[in-house]
Parts: sequence; C-alpha cells; structure tokens
Amino acid sequence: DQQVKQNSPSLSVQEGRISILNCDYTNSMFDYFLWYKKYPAEGPTFLISISSIKDKNEDGRFTVFLNKSAKHLSLHIVPSQPGDSAVYFCAASGGTSYGKLTFGQGTILTVHP
Amino acid sequence: KAGVTQTPRYLIKTRGQQVTLSCSPISGHRSVSWYQQTPGQGLQFLFEYFSETQRNKGNFPGRFSGRQFSNSRSEMNVSTLELGDSALYLCASSPGTVGTIQYFGAGTRLSVL
Repeated sequence: DQQVKQNSPSLSVQEGRISILNCDYTNSMFDYFLWYKKYPAEGPTFLISISSIKDKNEDGRFTVFLNKSAKHLSLHIVPSQPGDSAVYFCAASGGTSYGKLTFGQGTILTVHP
Repeated sequence: KAGVTQTPRYLIKTRGQQVTLSCSPISGHRSVSWYQQTPGQGLQFLFEYFSETQRNKGNFPGRFSGRQFSNSRSEMNVSTLELGDSALYLCASSPGTVGTIQYFGAGTRLSVL
C-alpha cells in the first residue's frame, strides 16, 4: 500500500525554466509534508516543508503548494539550474506517527544547460 | 552546528553475520529515526527512538533492532544477515515534536555477500 506516490519517475527541464514535481497521498492523517533532494550514496537534504494548515510555502527559488482536497502537493523550482539535477523525494508525516516519514518513490530531475 | 554523523560509511558482511551501525544526531535533537533505502523498495522507515525509548516501528522483521543512549546517540543492529539486507541505511535526527524537520546523515552502505 503506497501511501505517498510520485508518478513521474523522471523530469527533464531546460536551465532557467520552471520545474514542477508532483506528489499524491492517500492517508488523510498526514498533516506535514516535506521535500528532500538526494544525490546517489548520500543522505537526503531537506529543501522545504508545508503544514496542512497552509496551502503554499516559499523559500527562495522553491515553492511548495498543497491541495488538501485533492491530496496533492507540488514543488516548483524557478528558475531551474543545472545544480538542481538530483532525485527529489516528497515525504509525509502525521497523527501519532512521530518520527516516521513516509516517502514517495522519487523523481529524477535533470536540468540541461 | 555539526550535522548527523553515521559510522561506518561502508560495510561488507557475509550472510549469517550480524552488524551494528551508529548514528550521532544533531546536538539537542532527542529523536533518531532509521530508514532503509533499496532500489526496489525506496526509502522505508525502520524505527524511531526518542529519549531512549522506541516510539515507532516500521514493518521489518525482528532481526532489525535498535537502541538509543542517554546522549541521544543511536545504534541499529541487524542479526543473521541476508542478501536482501544489502542497502543504504540512513538515520535522521529531529527535535521529535510533531511537524518538525528530519535531518539525515550520509548513510551507511551495507553489502551482504
């Protein structure tokens, strides 16, 4: 039972354009969502998060949007840079599941110069 | 502030052996969570320790166990290793309250031969 899904295994974008990464979830107990960036053989690096009481959170080039009714969130990167090329994971937590993040399968983002 | 430190970075073991992995959290963080990353299953939650107590557990067999010390450092043990235990093992630390960010270490790459 995959409670967090990233349906696009990969995304290719030109430098300077917008990258949009999508994530869907099924568990209505989730109330906190995070995006991580990961390089091979390294640990995930935190990018941005959003609580379920908000529908948008911005941090520099990164913006996360949350649509609770659709159980959907997205990460926008504007403008995209070649250094953004990595695997992006969305993760969710909630209820009494302290310390437990449920991850999507990841999306490989490639930003071409 | 120092980040999350995992040791060792790489391990090679043979089937049937046991292994212990170590994780030192960010200073002041009381929660340590462990995850397993494999190509087929993605990032999966193993367990979480908070103030020396296991607070949450994932769906892994009893061969996977852990503990946390009074200084919040944590160890994970896998007994009777199987080939399928080959993976990147990640630990993450956080303050441990609801809606807080988990920060990951670089991971331990375990290869079981």
